[in-house]
Amino acid sequence: AQSVAQPEDQVNVAEGNPLTVKCTYSVSGNPYLFWYVQYPNRGLQFLLKYITGDNLVKGSYGFEAEFNKSQTSFHLKKPSALVSDSALYFCAVRDKYNAGNMLTFGGGTRLMVKP
Amino acid sequence: DAMVIQNPRYQVTQFGKPVTLSCSQTLNHNVMYWYQQKSSQAPKLLFHYYDKDFNNEADTPDNFQSRRPNTSFCFLDIRSPGLGDAAMYLCATSRYQAPGTSGAGETQYFGPGTRLLVL
Repeated sequence: AQSVAQPEDQVNVAEGNPLTVKCTYSVSGNPYLFWYVQYPNRGLQFLLKYITGDNLVKGSYGFEAEFNKSQTSFHLKKPSALVSDSALYFCAVRDKYNAGNMLTFGGGTRLMVKP
Repeated sequence: DAMVIQNPRYQVTQFGKPVTLSCSQTLNHNVMYWYQQKSSQAPKLLFHYYDKDFNNEADTPDNFQSRRPNTSFCFLDIRSPGLGDAAMYLCATSRYQAPGTSGAGETQYFGPGTRLLVL
């Protein structure tokens, strides 16, 4: 079985400050980890993923995420937040051995960036 | 640009009146997924196709059906919509990756969604 937890329903940060959106996961094997962003009344937009290799993954719009195997975490980060980053963020996991290529999503974290 | 397209973006239907949502893709992906999303919650997988092989999630109501006439198109049919079916419906596509094989993780790419309102 695979699962994802996003412990914060909402994260508030001031524009220009660094942001972190937390994600922890559980899989029986090796994980593939993904971050998606969703703006109001839009679909999910792919930001970045971890497959293997370097633990620090860089993605779209200046976002990055760090895979930490010992803590089973994949936190999303950005050095300097923009008001336009305000959106709903979903972390997702797939076990490398998942036959159906199914993703399991976390509950989502709403990011609010204030001017 | 290669993409996932959903039509219509907004759909209003009446209680009990059948409705069809459509999804098309230019990515030539062999897997297509339908998700239901309510009130900014996590998307809930309804079913998926691997090529023409249909896979239903165990808790997907019988009221929801799907068709995939070819690689590019996939339809979601709601036979008798209830008020509880009002939601955002998301279509996604990916390449298939065999379990345990090395690959690129086969990202799922989502369409913009169709928001369904049931009156």
